[in-house]
Amino acid sequence: EADIYQTPRYLVIGTGKKITLECSQTMGHDKMYWYQQDPGMELHLIHYSYGVNSTEKGDLSSESTVSRIRTEHFPLTLESARPSHTSQYLCASMGLAVYNEQFFGPGTRLTVL
Amino acid sequence: AQSVAQPEDQVNVAEGNPLTVKCTYSVSGNPYLFWYVQYPNRGLQFLLKYITGDNLVKGSYGFEAEFNKSQTSFHLKKPSALVSDSALYFCAVRDPGSYIPTFGRGTSLIVHP
Repeated sequence: EADIYQTPRYLVIGTGKKITLECSQTMGHDKMYWYQQDPGMELHLIHYSYGVNSTEKGDLSSESTVSRIRTEHFPLTLESARPSHTSQYLCASMGLAVYNEQFFGPGTRLTVL
Repeated sequence: AQSVAQPEDQVNVAEGNPLTVKCTYSVSGNPYLFWYVQYPNRGLQFLLKYITGDNLVKGSYGFEAEFNKSQTSFHLKKPSALVSDSALYFCAVRDPGSYIPTFGRGTSLIVHP
């Protein structure tokens, strides 16, 4: 079944820790995105990728980094987590055609103490 | 530049009554328009989209939306609301030349029994 997965779903860590949020999709989509969303609030684009070895920063300034070594995998890394990083992180993907909609993962809720 | 506005933070409706969630947009060319729904602690789920053609678009779960070019609107509607429709709804717009959508701030729909 085609889908998009995010792990972990919930993460509580201490300040200064390095973390990686995983995102994988089985649909062969070339475009992938990371959004940050505070509960019940608007989405902010932090990173996107149009394909392997392609990554760009989004509108929201972020201290995270991403990589796209394989089409299906788009991990997001925080080198040193801070309480201001506490939020929900949503991964999305989109297929080749320009009129396609995005598919979203279930999200990772991150709490930094 | 593209933008989208959802003028209502919250919409309240009684079960069985029709519902409307409003969305207006601004884009340089002909728009691609999308509606997504988000349930608590989940990612966004695609409902429907307008690309071209018939101004009335039908989507999942009995939802529909009407594209109005002169009013630059794309309001989401449902003839008879269910309590289970209670969720956060996001409108999004994309210029056909872009793979980066702009999302509205979201509208919380509350359907009362």
